[in-house]
Order: sequence, then C-alpha cells, then structure tokens
Amino acid sequence: DGGITQSPKYLFRKEGQNVTLSCEQNLNHDAMYWYRQDPGQGLRLIYYSQIVNDFQKGDIAEGYSVSREKKESFPLTVTSAQKNPTAFYLCASSIGSSSPYEQYFGPGTRLTVT
Amino acid sequence: AQSVAQPEDQVNVAEGNPLTVKCTYSVSGNPYLFWYVQYPNRGLQFLLKYITGDNLVKGSYGFEAEFNKSQTSFHLKKPSALVSDSALYFCAVSPPGMDSSYKLIFGSGTRLLVRP
Repeated sequence: DGGITQSPKYLFRKEGQNVTLSCEQNLNHDAMYWYRQDPGQGLRLIYYSQIVNDFQKGDIAEGYSVSREKKESFPLTVTSAQKNPTAFYLCASSIGSSSPYEQYFGPGTRLTVT
Repeated sequence: AQSVAQPEDQVNVAEGNPLTVKCTYSVSGNPYLFWYVQYPNRGLQFLLKYITGDNLVKGSYGFEAEFNKSQTSFHLKKPSALVSDSALYFCAVSPPGMDSSYKLIFGSGTRLLVRP
C-alpha cells in the first residue's frame, strides 16, 4: 500500500447522496486508476487517467465521475445515478500507461449506501 | 473478448506442501501477465509479471509463475506453502487498448487457504 493513500477507510451514505472518495499518491506516477471490487467478480475498471487534466472511462463508468487537476490526486465521485454503489473501491497508480507497468494499489475505501 | 479465467474459487493446501493457483487467459497479440495478492480489507500487492523472455518468472515472497503459450496459462506456484500465504490471489492480463494505453483485466480471484 505504500505511497498511495485512500480516505476514509469506511464510508456510509444515504441513498440519493453523492459521495467523493479521496486518492493521493506520492510516487510521482503519471497514470492513476479507480477500480470497484465486488465479491466473486474480481476488480472492474471505473476510470483511468494517463496524465493530468485527462481521463477516460473504463468498463463501468456509469454513475461515477472523476477529476485529475493535480498529478498526485485522483478523486472519485459516486453519484446518486449509480444504481448499486455499495462496494470496495480501490485506487491504483503506475509509472505510466504506455507500457504494461505494474500498478500499485491503495488500501481501499469500503462504501456502504443504505 | 480479452479475458482471464481463474477456474478455482478456493485452493486448500497444507503448510509445507507445494501450491499451485491456476490462471488461463485469452488475449490477442503478446500477453503481458501479472499476479497480485490481497490480504483482508487491504489493497492489492504486486507479486510478479511476465512480459517476455524466460517462461519461469520469479517474484516476491518465494512465488513463481510459469508462462505456457500453447496452453495460454500462467499458473502461480510456490514450492512450500506458509500459513501466512493465505490470501486472495488475482491473475491479470494487460493488453494494449485502443488508445495505446495498457490497463489490467483481472480474473475473479482464487482464495488460498494454507492449513497448519
């Protein structure tokens, strides 16, 4: 988990509320990623960013939004449009995305929406 | 479609015995393959990767993986399991995308349980 911080560790929200998950890295990595993890389904890519001020949708972007205003920060907003937001969310970074570099993961945020 | 399969939801092994966690893949072009481990309520930790070269790749904590192109497999192995190896293991493939970026496609994970 070294070098990537996610806060908070646990987050509880009422249905209909937007919520923002924080992700910060001090590894000087250009690329950052957000994944969602559900039991038995592995990790699915929500959004990724190859460089500051640029990001692309992953496989399950609907109901989520991101920004990349600083190299070290890549916050994820879970909007009220996300039909099933309760999940474990993982942020990752890599040196770049122009080659198959390994990704480094944060400790995750467990979001519960009731 | 490019995908990764981990056919076993759980693998049970006694401490001191060898372990194997299976992974097969389906990708076009050259496969770039990874193994990650996840301990409870934690992020994933990188174990090893295959990019090119020797089919046997050595990684962290005594793990190794064997790339087999004809069987499209990348099985994770360790000669002697430890109780502390008990965790969730993910295989991943990294094909180039339409925007020439490399992203990870994960398998569903295999839970390894090493009993004392």
